[in-house]
Amino acid sequence: GDSVTQMEGPVTLSEEAFLTINCTYTATGYPSLFWYVQYPGEGLQLLLKATKADDKGSNKGFEATYRKETTSFHLEKGSVQVSDSAVYFCALPHGSSNTGKLIFGQGTTLQVKP
Amino acid sequence: NAGVMQNPRHLVRRRGQEARLRCSPMKGHSHVYWYRQLPEEGLKFMVYLQKENIIDESGMPKERFSAEFPKEGPSILRIQQVVRGDSAAYFCASSVDSNYGYTFGSGTRLTVV
Repeated sequence: GDSVTQMEGPVTLSEEAFLTINCTYTATGYPSLFWYVQYPGEGLQLLLKATKADDKGSNKGFEATYRKETTSFHLEKGSVQVSDSAVYFCALPHGSSNTGKLIFGQGTTLQVKP
Repeated sequence: NAGVMQNPRHLVRRRGQEARLRCSPMKGHSHVYWYRQLPEEGLKFMVYLQKENIIDESGMPKERFSAEFPKEGPSILRIQQVVRGDSAAYFCASSVDSNYGYTFGSGTRLTVV
């Protein structure tokens, strides 16, 4: 079945370091792909998305490119800030469902130290 | 415009008690989704509801769990006769339609003792 695999955390970086959080997926066809972020004590927020192969989603300095050849959607940011400390989730729509339900990865915790 | 409101934020129940989790969607949103996050795992879909209808409950455990979204009032996720394995964070999300423009609530952390 469809699935999402993320790199394990926590990822600990110093401020202004380069960030990569790996995400690979297994799916039928070419589904939309999403990154959500969860700040401490809050709900998940959509960070960015890509709807087709080779699309690049971007928001708040974060980017992710939909790579169908490697079935990946890695999240990157060139210079992280302390305020980026959060849990990041990669997600895709569930199978051929048209009901809006999502499959999430297990989440990757990012800790940015000043 | 308030976001998705979930209450309580934290809930402690003894084994065998009932847990009722509430979710008020954003104004104008008629689609509600419930997800569960077990420790060290990602979010798992439980149920999708529209007003007065359960559309997809394929992620709900077969026993003890139920959900509703009445015409008036919040959506309720009910867990009867809770067990320790029900301890998790339960998240609600709402949207205008069934595309993926979810807005999530802050979750209810259920602890069964």
